[in-house]
Amino acid sequence: EVQVVESGGGLVQPGRSLRLSCTTSGFTFGDYAMTWVRQAPGKGLEWVGFTRIKAYDDSTEYAASVQGRFTISRDYSRNIVFLHMNSLKTEDTAVYYCARTMSTGWVGVCDYWGRGTLVTVSA
Amino acid sequence: EIVLTQSPGALSLSPGERATLSCRASQSLTNNNLAWFQQKPGQAPTLLMYDATSRATDISDRFSGSGSGRDFTLTISGLEPEDFAVYYCQQYASSPGTFGQGTKVELK
Repeated sequence: EVQVVESGGGLVQPGRSLRLSCTTSGFTFGDYAMTWVRQAPGKGLEWVGFTRIKAYDDSTEYAASVQGRFTISRDYSRNIVFLHMNSLKTEDTAVYYCARTMSTGWVGVCDYWGRGTLVTVSA
Repeated sequence: EIVLTQSPGALSLSPGERATLSCRASQSLTNNNLAWFQQKPGQAPTLLMYDATSRATDISDRFSGSGSGRDFTLTISGLEPEDFAVYYCQQYASSPGTFGQGTKVELK
C-alpha cells in the first residue's frame, strides 16, 4: 500500500526556518518524482515545487512565491523528501501536502497524497 | 505562468443529476497535460483524471474528462452523495504546475 506521511509542521515566527519531512513507503521511491502543494486556510490549492528522480539529477522546480526561500531535497536511503523553508512569511501559513508524482508532462501528476501538515507563521 | 480559470464557482445539484465542470487555460496545454482532483472537507485531494481523459486508478466511471488545447471539462454522470465536494483542475505542462480556483459541487 502506498503511504505518504508529512511531519514537521507547527507554529513558527516570521523570518525563521522550518523543515518538513515526507516519509514514504509502499512503492519504489527512486522511480517517482515528489511534489509539495499547500493550501492556506479556506483557500484553494497552490503548487509549491517538486523534485525529479535521480536520472534527472533530482532537479527541482519552484513556484515564484517560494523561489529562493524554499528548497526540496530527497534522501534515497530513507525514502524521505524534505521541504526546507527559510525566511518564512505570514502568507506561508497553510497545510502542506506531499504527493507522489508520476513523471509525465513537465512537472508530473500527483497520484498519491499525504494528509498534510499545518504550518502557522505568526509572531 | 499558465492561468487556469474554472467555471462555475459553485454548482447546486441533486443526487442523480449530471455535473459539468469547466476549466480554461490561458494557453494551450502540451499533450493535454491536465488533471482533475476532488477534495472533501478536511481531506487531501484525490486524483480523478489525468492527461485530460484518463481515469486514475479505482476512480468510478461516473467521472469522465474531455477537451483539448485550452478548454477542458469534467463530467460527473449521476451524482452520488459522496461526490459533493470541491473539484480542482491542474496543468502540468509547464512550471509552475498551476491549479484552478476550484468548483464546489453542493447539494441542492
